[in-house]
Amino acid sequence: DTAVSQTPKYLVTQMGNDKSIKCEQNLGHDTMYWYKQDSKKFLKIMFSYNNKELIINETVPNRFSPKSPDKAHLNLHINSLELGDSAVYFCASSRGTSGSLGTDTQYFGPGTRLTVL
Amino acid sequence: SQQGEEDPQALSIQEGENATMNCSYKTSINNLQWYRQNSGRGLVHLILIRSNEREKHSGRLRVTLDTSKKSSSLLITASRAADTASYFCAMNTGFQKLVFGTGTRLLVSP
Repeated sequence: DTAVSQTPKYLVTQMGNDKSIKCEQNLGHDTMYWYKQDSKKFLKIMFSYNNKELIINETVPNRFSPKSPDKAHLNLHINSLELGDSAVYFCASSRGTSGSLGTDTQYFGPGTRLTVL
Repeated sequence: SQQGEEDPQALSIQEGENATMNCSYKTSINNLQWYRQNSGRGLVHLILIRSNEREKHSGRLRVTLDTSKKSSSLLITASRAADTASYFCAMNTGFQKLVFGTGTRLLVSP
């Protein structure tokens, strides 16, 4: 009954490879997010989708491409992986109905630890 | 950087003691939220305080917000070993966007 799930939990790969992380939420939420947490535990938003439409796109290299096939899924594809991409990537979701007030609680997935060698 | 700063970076206390964490931020906010992260896990929402509120309680949690000083504090009373985790403040700057603080690592010893 996991509310927000991510696969895989761990991903170890070589520099230059292309990889994808998948996220699914069964909460019926309209908004989904991708966050990156680095080795110092700094957590930063990367992307946000509302009903399959991109609404937040922070300064992220265009090697990172989110894809939302439906509002329950938000996948993250990374091309040409670099050492600096090593981090824990968290998916999250929220109802997304409060607009600019932003009072919706965000529910986080368990994270995907990406290690680039 | 928009990121909030939390103080202290780490806090070690005994069970039963109170734990206070502080958060300072730079931009105007709609609300401020606190999240907990257990080791190796995702973040869990604890409490939200709106920009027009000064104090909020939830169980053993007490949050204050001073928008003139752009700061917030989280107080956990009568701490338990199970409270051991990292705690993050998160500032909502509009349209569901959260900017997270640097986090406080809390260790509660039995």
